[in-house]
Amino acid sequence: EAGVAQSPRYKIIEKRQSVAFWCNPISGHATLYWYQQILGQGPKLLIQFQNNGVVDDSQLPKDRFSAERLKGVDSTLKIQPAKLEDSAVYLCASSGQLDTQYFGPGTRLTVL
Amino acid sequence: GENVEQHPSTLSVQEGDSAVIKCTYSDSASNYFPWYKQELGKRPQLIIDIRSNVGEKKDQRIAVTLNKTAKHFSLHITETQPEDSAVYFCAVQGGSNYKLTFGKGTLLTVNP
Repeated sequence: EAGVAQSPRYKIIEKRQSVAFWCNPISGHATLYWYQQILGQGPKLLIQFQNNGVVDDSQLPKDRFSAERLKGVDSTLKIQPAKLEDSAVYLCASSGQLDTQYFGPGTRLTVL
Repeated sequence: GENVEQHPSTLSVQEGDSAVIKCTYSDSASNYFPWYKQELGKRPQLIIDIRSNVGEKKDQRIAVTLNKTAKHFSLHITETQPEDSAVYFCAVQGGSNYKLTFGKGTLLTVNP
């Protein structure tokens, strides 16, 4: 079974630039999550999708972050404009009928 | 919202010794408690989980215990090996939307 795929794996941008991350969940998984993991901390949920609907985006900084999952499969997370404090690993995870979440390899973002 | 505290933040043991990591949570309605292992630069990987209707679960050298009354759960690793060295995160899920709240992690070092 293929795992959660993410791209790119690394991204370096300057502050105030825009960036987008892509995630392809495990086939058949209806629920998709985006997490932000700052160095030395646990993952923090940014947004959760159930199919193509948003279930929880309470911790998403909506003034600069946006996410979509138009067809209920792939998802993109965008930051515009980026700030220095956005430097982190962005993890995508998915889950099926059970609640077990499986994580992708992450995208390491560095904002200069 | 859910508050998860994890202790200790770092743990160093000799190969063959046992390691114990503890987490407490605040929401008594929480019902699913996974543990993830994250090696440097890698994705979090589920190593064991427990649900609220079970008090203990074991998988080879790894076990998890849950005390719902006291709202705490623990990870036990016996006969530790150098390859057990990693950051371990506890997580708590409550409610109906499968949202996970993570602890801040424990850096486990197993010295040969």
